[in-house]
Amino acid sequence: DTGVSQDPRHKITKRGQNVTFRCDPISEHNRLYWYRQTLGQGPEFLTYFQNEAQLEKSRLLSDRFSAERPKGSFSTLEIQRTEQGDSAMYLCASSPWGRQGMNTEAFFGQGTRLTVV
Amino acid sequence: AQSVTQPDIHITVSEGASLELRCNYSYGATPYLFWYVQSPGQGLQLLLKYFSGDTLVQGIKGFEAEFKRSQSSFNLRKPSVHWSDAAEYFCAVVPPGSNTGKLIFGQGTTLQVKP
Repeated sequence: DTGVSQDPRHKITKRGQNVTFRCDPISEHNRLYWYRQTLGQGPEFLTYFQNEAQLEKSRLLSDRFSAERPKGSFSTLEIQRTEQGDSAMYLCASSPWGRQGMNTEAFFGQGTRLTVV
Repeated sequence: AQSVTQPDIHITVSEGASLELRCNYSYGATPYLFWYVQSPGQGLQLLLKYFSGDTLVQGIKGFEAEFKRSQSSFNLRKPSVHWSDAAEYFCAVVPPGSNTGKLIFGQGTTLQVKP
């Protein structure tokens, strides 16, 4: 078990470009979450998947954002036409919710730091 | 409004001194409660969690937290702080009745440790 893996760790992009981030969860975890963290703030929920189904999206997730988890394993988060306000740390977490009972926790990856210039 | 509050944005303690980080929540019932730690540029590591039962919870790295229903609090404590404890600490909840597992975080407390 190598934990939750995110790639890339850092991304610098020009305003208007598209970017895609990848998250590989812990293999037996059925739930996968994306959070965004801006400087000096706590992480904020963006969206989550149960297996391949995207079950909830935050209002923070504008139509420029799209997330997928095509086979219920890894997930991608794409941001189209990036804006400077998208600069943040994007965190992925996974959880075996429901498989070990309701009393469980999420395990986080190290995040992808996005800087839009 | 339902929320998680960490009243202290920044705390400085001397190495070897005791530490208490405050967390308050405002929900109609008791949520699931968590403390995470984040080192600069890193992801979050779970220190401890409370779902039910004994209100004093032991975690990793010598941390403990006490749930107090009457005060809607879940404060994190450590008897003797080490320089390596300098980091950002986040209190988080899964709201009561939630079946999504999504976490609601406080704004965080930055801990600085003086030698």
